[in-house]
Parts: sequence; structure tokens; C-alpha cells
Amino acid sequence: NAGVMQNPRHLVRRRGQEARLRCSPMKGHSHVYWYRQLPEEGLKFMVYLQKENIIDESGMPKERFSAEFPKEGPSILRIQQVVRGDSAAYFCASSPQQGPQAAFFGQGTRLTVV
Amino acid sequence: DAKTTQPPSMDCAEGRAANLPCNHSTISGNEYVYWYRQIHSQGPQYIIHGLKNNETNEMASLIITEDRKSSTLILPHATLRDTAVYYCIVRPSELIQGAQKLVFGQGTRLTINP
Repeated sequence: NAGVMQNPRHLVRRRGQEARLRCSPMKGHSHVYWYRQLPEEGLKFMVYLQKENIIDESGMPKERFSAEFPKEGPSILRIQQVVRGDSAAYFCASSPQQGPQAAFFGQGTRLTVV
Repeated sequence: DAKTTQPPSMDCAEGRAANLPCNHSTISGNEYVYWYRQIHSQGPQYIIHGLKNNETNEMASLIITEDRKSSTLILPHATLRDTAVYYCIVRPSELIQGAQKLVFGQGTRLTINP
């Protein structure tokens, strides 16, 4: 059973470009979470999604950031018009539908804005 | 905000048991205690979780006090590879709007010394 897959592992974007980060959850998992970790800082929750539905986006910046988890395909975290402050590691986790089962994390995408 | 309190750092000798404490005095009856660790800048790794009974798996043991206000993660024979930041998190079992996400605090930086 493959784990949570994130791609790309490393992404370099110039200021003003768009960044698209992908997350394929574990098989059988229908819930996805996105986290951001700035250099030398802790993990900050961004958004929690079920397929075709955003459950909690309380941690998402109000502008430039969006997330989706379509019926088919991976979850996408999209950052428009990136700025240097967006440089961070972005982690995705997935868990089964409801219940106390643990969430499992991918290895992250390291975004560098130059 | 995280609902747990952990010491910022701990040291342990290789081969010894590492005991990591966590206070969660405001834990609710439907909240589980989860432990994760992050080795260097990798994705967080799930370790173990429990509700009120002690739990053990191939990685660690989790001891939860009878009043559930604190817990201890035990790594029975620590190795250098166990050096990481360890996070204790409480999370409800049911889907409560906004509450299913994992909220990471600062964790405990555990250093295993040779």
C-alpha cells in the first residue's frame, strides 16, 4: 500500500509565477490536509478537504492560495503570484473517512521562490 | 492553538528508554492522544495514538494517566535514528467542524547521544 505521494518534491518558481503542488492520498483515504512549514518554524495547518468539498480552510491565506480535491485525481494546492515569503515546505496528509484513525503524511514539496 | 504542553528539549543516551511527557489537562472525553515525530525536515511520521488505555506497537508505547490529563511516549531502546522533534496532539474522534485537523505545537526536540 503506497503512502501519501507528493509531487514535485522540489519546486522553484520566480516571483509572480504560479505554483501547483499535488498530493495523492493513501488508498482508501478520502480526507486530505495541507500544512506549511516555514524554515526553522513549526507545522501550520492550512486546509482540510474531502473529495469535492472543503471542510476547514481556517489556515489558508485569504489571497493567492486555493486548494481542491476533485472526485478523480490528486488534491492540488495552488499558489498564484508567488512571493519570496511563500518559500517553505508544504506537507500533505491523508486519513480515512472520519473516526480516530491516524493521518499519514507525505514527504512534502519544498517550494523555493527566487 | 495546540492543546498540549511538552518540554522543548530532552536528551537520552543511546540504548536507554526515552520517556517523553505531554500535558493535556483540557482534553475532552472524545479526544484521542496522537504522537508524531519529524526527523530533520522530512514529513511527520505517525507513531502511536490512544484514548484511555495504554497502547504499544513496534515503535513505541503510550501511557495515558487515569484522569487522561497527561501521557508519556516511551521509546524502549532509543537509537541515534530516533533523534527528532516529537509532537503530542489531541484530536476528536468524530467529525466536529474545524476540529478534525491535527494542530501541531512546538514539540520536544529529542536528542539521542552515543
